[in-house]
Amino acid sequence: GENVEQHPSTLSVQEGDSAVIKCTYSDSASNYFPWYKQELGKRPQLIIDIRSNVGEKKDQRIAVTLNKTAKHFSLHITETQPEDSAVYFCAASIREYGNKLVFGAGTILRVKS
Amino acid sequence: DTAVSQTPKYLVTQMGNDKSIKCEQNLGHDTMYWYKQDSKKFLKIMFSYNNKELIINETVPNRFSPKSPDKAHLNLHINSLELGDSAVYFCASSLVPGTGIDEQYFGPGTRLTVT
Repeated sequence: GENVEQHPSTLSVQEGDSAVIKCTYSDSASNYFPWYKQELGKRPQLIIDIRSNVGEKKDQRIAVTLNKTAKHFSLHITETQPEDSAVYFCAASIREYGNKLVFGAGTILRVKS
Repeated sequence: DTAVSQTPKYLVTQMGNDKSIKCEQNLGHDTMYWYKQDSKKFLKIMFSYNNKELIINETVPNRFSPKSPDKAHLNLHINSLELGDSAVYFCASSLVPGTGIDEQYFGPGTRLTVT
C-alpha cells in the first residue's frame, strides 16, 4: 500500500522567512496530494492541493510542487507569519479508489516573531 | 451552519465499556470517513462509506463497527474499549471520489480517553 514520508518533523523559522516541507510517496498510482494545516486542538483544514497532471500550484503565500518521476511533493510558505504556526500534514491518494488519504507524520512549524 | 459535526466532543470511559460517536454533514456529500489521530498526531483512515455503502475498511479491530443510516450520517460504535483506543477520532466528508472535487472536510473531532 501507499506510504508517505514527511520531513522535517519540526521546523522553526523567523517571521518573514520561507518554510519548506517535503514529502515522498511510494505508490506511483497516487494522483491527488493535499496539504492540511492543524492548529492545536482543532480539525485538519485543507490549505492547498495538487493533482498529478499539474507540476505546481500557488495560492497567495502558499505553493505546492509535485515531481511525479521522483515521487515527491513539497509545500512552500513564503513571508511566514506567527499565525502560520501549526502542524502541517501532507497526504496522497488515488482519487478513483475511494480517495483514501494516506498522511505523512506531520511537521510542527513554529514561526518566531 | 456547521459543515461536519460530531458528538460528543469529549468522551471519557472505562476499559471494557461500549461507546458510540456520531457524525453528521450538511454539505450534501456522498462520501464519509472516519480517521484516528493518535497521541503522536499521526492520522490514519479507518473506514469510508459512499452513499451508505462501505468502500474502505482498513485493518481495524472488529470491535470497531461503523454504521451509515443515510449519506449524511456516519456513526462509529466501539465495543470492549481498550486503553489503546484513546485517541482523537475525526469524521470527514467529500463528494464522490473522481468527481474532480476532492477536498475532504473534517469534523471537530472526538477526544476519547479510556481509563
